[in-house]
Amino acid sequence: DAGVIQSPRHEVTEMGQEVTLRCKPISGHDYLFWYRQTMMRGLELLIYFNNNVPIDDSGMPEDRFSAKMPNASFSTLKIQPSEPRDSAVYFCASSFGTAYQPQHFGDGTRLSIL
Amino acid sequence: QKEVEQNSGPLSVPEGAIASLNCTYSDRGSQSFFWYRQYSGKSPELIMFIYSNGDKEDGRFTAQLNKASQYVSLLIRDSQPSDSATYLCAVIRESSASKIIFGSGTRLSIRP
Repeated sequence: DAGVIQSPRHEVTEMGQEVTLRCKPISGHDYLFWYRQTMMRGLELLIYFNNNVPIDDSGMPEDRFSAKMPNASFSTLKIQPSEPRDSAVYFCASSFGTAYQPQHFGDGTRLSIL
Repeated sequence: QKEVEQNSGPLSVPEGAIASLNCTYSDRGSQSFFWYRQYSGKSPELIMFIYSNGDKEDGRFTAQLNKASQYVSLLIRDSQPSDSATYLCAVIRESSASKIIFGSGTRLSIRP
């Protein structure tokens, strides 16, 4: 079975540029989560969706960050404009049924903003 | 006070011994508890989840939950070098259903 698929795996770009991260959840999963992981702050939940609808975006750091889920098999996390402090590993995860169920993580996108 | 607290380690355990990882949480209404393992440079991988007070065993892993003390632990029996990783404790609070809070993780090192 295909797991959660994220792209790109690595992204290096200059500050001020727009960055788009992509995620394909496991087929049939109805919850999708975006996380950011840094050494300083650990793993932080940014936003999550249920049936393509954003439920809680309180973890989104600021207006430069936005996330969409146009259909059940695709989500994007966009940063515009990007800043060096956005450098982190961004994970997407999905789960089925309720958000109390275990989450399955993608391999992550390692983002470096120069 | 962090919502989910873990000792960052590193915790060094000899091969074959029992590794004991601990986690405390602040929200008494928390309902669901998870342990994830994360190898360096990899994504978190679920290894155990527990919802009820008591012990839950799966192979060499045992999760223990004590809601009165707001404490959850993970025991790894017969530790192997392949168990060397960071272990993340995660909690879902009832007060904001579905929002999972991760601890900062405990780095475990199994020495041969």
